Amino acid sequence: NAGVTQTPKFQVLKTGQSMTLQCAQDMNHEYMSWYRQDPGMGLRLIHYSVGAGITDQGEVPNGYNVSRSTTEDFPLRLLSAAPSQTSVYFCASSRQGATGELFFGEGSRLTVL
Amino acid sequence: AQKVTQAQTEISVVEKEDVTLDCVYETRDTTYYLFWYKQPPSGELVFLIRRNSFDEQNEISGRYSWNFQKSTSSFNFTITASQVVDSAVYFCALSEDLGKLIFGTGTRLQVFP
Repeated sequence: NAGVTQTPKFQVLKTGQSMTLQCAQDMNHEYMSWYRQDPGMGLRLIHYSVGAGITDQGEVPNGYNVSRSTTEDFPLRLLSAAPSQTSVYFCASSRQGATGELFFGEGSRLTVL
Repeated sequence: AQKVTQAQTEISVVEKEDVTLDCVYETRDTTYYLFWYKQPPSGELVFLIRRNSFDEQNEISGRYSWNFQKSTSSFNFTITASQVVDSAVYFCALSEDLGKLIFGTGTRLQVFP
C-alpha cells in the first residue's frame, strides 16, 4: 500500500527557478491538499481540491499553482521560486474532505537559495 | 474565521509524568470537526483522533485521552504515564467544511528518561 507519495523528498533551487512537487495517492480519495510547514508556524494550507477538475486556495496560495486532472495526482507548481518558499511541503488526501482523517505524504524539503 | 491556538510551544516532562496539551479553537459554525495529529522526530504526520462538534464525550485510548468542552472551546489532549516514545510535536486542527483544515502551531513535547 503506497498511500500518499511525494517526490522529490529534497530539492535545492535558485531564486527564480520553477519546479513541480509531485503528489500521488492510490486510495481513490476525492480530497487532496498541500501544506507547508515552517518553524513556529505549524502547517499552513496552500491549495486544496475536493475532486478532479476542482481546486481552491488555502491560507497561503501566493506563488503556487495547482491542478487536478485526475483523482490520483495533485501537483504543486512553484512558478518563480523565492527564498520565502524554503519550507517542508506536505501533501495529504482524505476520503471525507477536510472533515475526515488526512493521510499525509512523507514531506518534501525545499530550499531556495 | 477559523483559528486554533496551542499556547504551549514546548513542554518537557520526565517519563511517567502525566502531561496535558492545550488546544483552544474559534469558529462561527455549529458543525465542525477537531483533530489531533502527532509528528515524531522522523517527520511524518500521524492521525490520532477526530471529534465532531455534536459529540462532547471524552475519549480514552490507552494512555491517551481527550477532553472536549464546547463551553470553553477547548479540545485538550492528555498523555498519562508519558514515555520517551511520546516525544513529538503535537498539532491540534479544526475543520468547518470539506475544504479547509486549519492547524495550530503545535506543541513540542519532550519526554526525558
